[in-house]
Amino acid sequence: EAGVAQSPRYKIIEKRQSVAFWCNPISGHATLYWYQQILGQGPKLLIQFQNNGVVDDSQLPKDRFSAERLKGVDSTLKIQPAKLEDSAVYLCASNSAGGLDRYEQYFGPGTRLTVT
Amino acid sequence: AQSVTQPDIHITVSEGASLELRCNYSYGATPYLFWYVQSPGQGLQLLLKYFSGDTLVQGIKGFEAEFKRSQSSFNLRKPSVHWSDAAEYFCAVGEGWGADGLTFGKGTHLIIQP
Repeated sequence: EAGVAQSPRYKIIEKRQSVAFWCNPISGHATLYWYQQILGQGPKLLIQFQNNGVVDDSQLPKDRFSAERLKGVDSTLKIQPAKLEDSAVYLCASNSAGGLDRYEQYFGPGTRLTVT
Repeated sequence: AQSVTQPDIHITVSEGASLELRCNYSYGATPYLFWYVQSPGQGLQLLLKYFSGDTLVQGIKGFEAEFKRSQSSFNLRKPSVHWSDAAEYFCAVGEGWGADGLTFGKGTHLIIQP
């Protein structure tokens, strides 16, 4: 079974530029998450999708961050414009929707963003 | 709001020695608790989880953790560490209702001495 795929793995941009990250979850997983992991900290949830609907985006900085999952499969996370403090690893995770298994999240390798 | 505290930023252990990583949580009800490991350049891998029942849970790679409600703790243990255990370890908590996103601690960096 293929794992969660993310691209690109690394990205360097200047502040005020825009950037997009892509995630393809494990096949059949209805729920998809984006986390932000700043150096020296644990991951912080940005947004959760159930199929193509948003379940929780309370911690997403909506003035600059946006995310979509149009067909309920892969997802993109966009930052526009980027700030220095957005430098972090962006992790995508997925899981199946039913019962207690929904708490077992499978993580991708992440995209490391550096904003200069 | 729920929170997770991992009081040790770094821990150094000799290879073959025992290990205990501490985790304390703040949550009103019984939480769902997890330990994840993150090796350099790798994604997070689930080591073990606690939902209910037996308070001592076994995980992969020889790890175990014990849920202690009275201490709001979920400490990770391993009787004998290997050099390959060097990594970042994260404790996480889930609310058990509504949205399923996890709240993570800041992590403990484990260093293995030869």
